[in-house]
Amino acid sequence: QVQLVESGGGAVQPGRSLRLSCAASGFTFSSYGMHWVRQAPGKGLEWVAVISYDGSSKFYADSVKGRFTISRDNSKNTLYLQMNSLRAEDTAVYYCVKGFRDFRPPADWGQGTLVTVSS
Amino acid sequence: QTVVTQEPSFSVSPGGTVTLTCGLSSGSVSTSYYPNWYQQTPGQAPRTLIYSTNTRSSGVPDRFSGSILGNKAALTITGAQADDESDYYCVLYMGSGISVFGGGTKLTVL
Repeated sequence: QVQLVESGGGAVQPGRSLRLSCAASGFTFSSYGMHWVRQAPGKGLEWVAVISYDGSSKFYADSVKGRFTISRDNSKNTLYLQMNSLRAEDTAVYYCVKGFRDFRPPADWGQGTLVTVSS
Repeated sequence: QTVVTQEPSFSVSPGGTVTLTCGLSSGSVSTSYYPNWYQQTPGQAPRTLIYSTNTRSSGVPDRFSGSILGNKAALTITGAQADDESDYYCVLYMGSGISVFGGGTKLTVL
């Protein structure tokens, strides 16, 4: 079955960078779009970014555009989220979520990794 | 900017039926928005109940169903059980790669 394991979270100071990874298994990774979704403590879900199955197309929420970069390595079945210029409001659990061949909303969730941005 | 709207809270009696909705601040929801519904209990990752309007995810009981009702997407739970008490989120596809979540509905079963 689909398994998504996020890693790379932790505590970081404002303005610094962090890279999240998501190791995928149980499906043909290179055939599906992949998303990042986040959830700030006590808040709702926020869609962050999506990447096409082949990495050729990427889209971002306005709140992270220009600071975050989504990427993938299909040879390693791994999804990434490079987060630069981090702000306190980026503090959240970040979920890796498997999508579909197109960009419709995703359906299979990882367990998440916590990112805390604080001085 | 278009906002995705959900009822902040709802309550249902055990065994009862409840319909949660997912709308737009401007315009109507259709199947072209590919609405998904997720269930989340505290401390857990979300679980997908319904995708693309009305397709149940694997293992989801048929007590959960999705539809378009009027100008909104809807999640109907029939025969509510105590462990249905959760937060429920919808998401809509806005086009150009962008998805937007609703603010979530806290469902109480009592």
